[in-house]
Amino acid sequence: NAGVMQNPRHLVRRRGQEARLRCSPMKGHSHVYWYRQLPEEGLKFMVYLQKENIIDESGMPKERFSAEFPKEGPSILRIQQVVRGDSAAYFCASSLQRDNHEQYFGPGTRLTVT
Amino acid sequence: GQSLEQPSEVTAVEGAIVQINCTYQTSGFYGLSWYQQHDGGAPTFLSYNALDGLEETGRFSSFLSRSDSYGYLLLQELQMKDSASYFCAVREWMDSSYKLIFGSGTRLLVRP
Repeated sequence: NAGVMQNPRHLVRRRGQEARLRCSPMKGHSHVYWYRQLPEEGLKFMVYLQKENIIDESGMPKERFSAEFPKEGPSILRIQQVVRGDSAAYFCASSLQRDNHEQYFGPGTRLTVT
Repeated sequence: GQSLEQPSEVTAVEGAIVQINCTYQTSGFYGLSWYQQHDGGAPTFLSYNALDGLEETGRFSSFLSRSDSYGYLLLQELQMKDSASYFCAVREWMDSSYKLIFGSGTRLLVRP
């Protein structure tokens, strides 16, 4: 059973560019969560999606950030016009059931903005 | 608002027992989870307590007291591979969905 997959593992972008982070949930899981983690800190919830629906985006910055989970293909977290403060590790997690406390995390994408 | 507090660092000797505490302040509390994260790795689920009491899973146990807004993770027979960060996370109902609100993590260093 493949686990949660994320790519790329490392992404370097210059200020003002766009970053696209991809997440494929575990097989059979249709609930996806995105988190951001700064060094030496815990994970901060960003958005919760189910296939084709955004369930909760209360943790997403209002500007420049968007997320989708299409019927076919991976979930994508998109950051437009990146700034240095966007540098962080972005983790995707998936669960089998809605609002499940047991979430399975991917290896993360480490975004560096230069 | 919500807040979780856990010690930033704990050091213990191989073979010993260590307890990592977590206190929380939140509304809409549904349960407390624990996750382990090795440096550069992904968080992995360890345990979940929805009710008061102790849950045991092998060398790891987790405890919850809802009346005290307090829980802990107990690691027994420590091994070098247990060196990692441990996060408590409150499962909370907010903004029409459940969320996991994570603490800042406790870095555990196991020494030989």
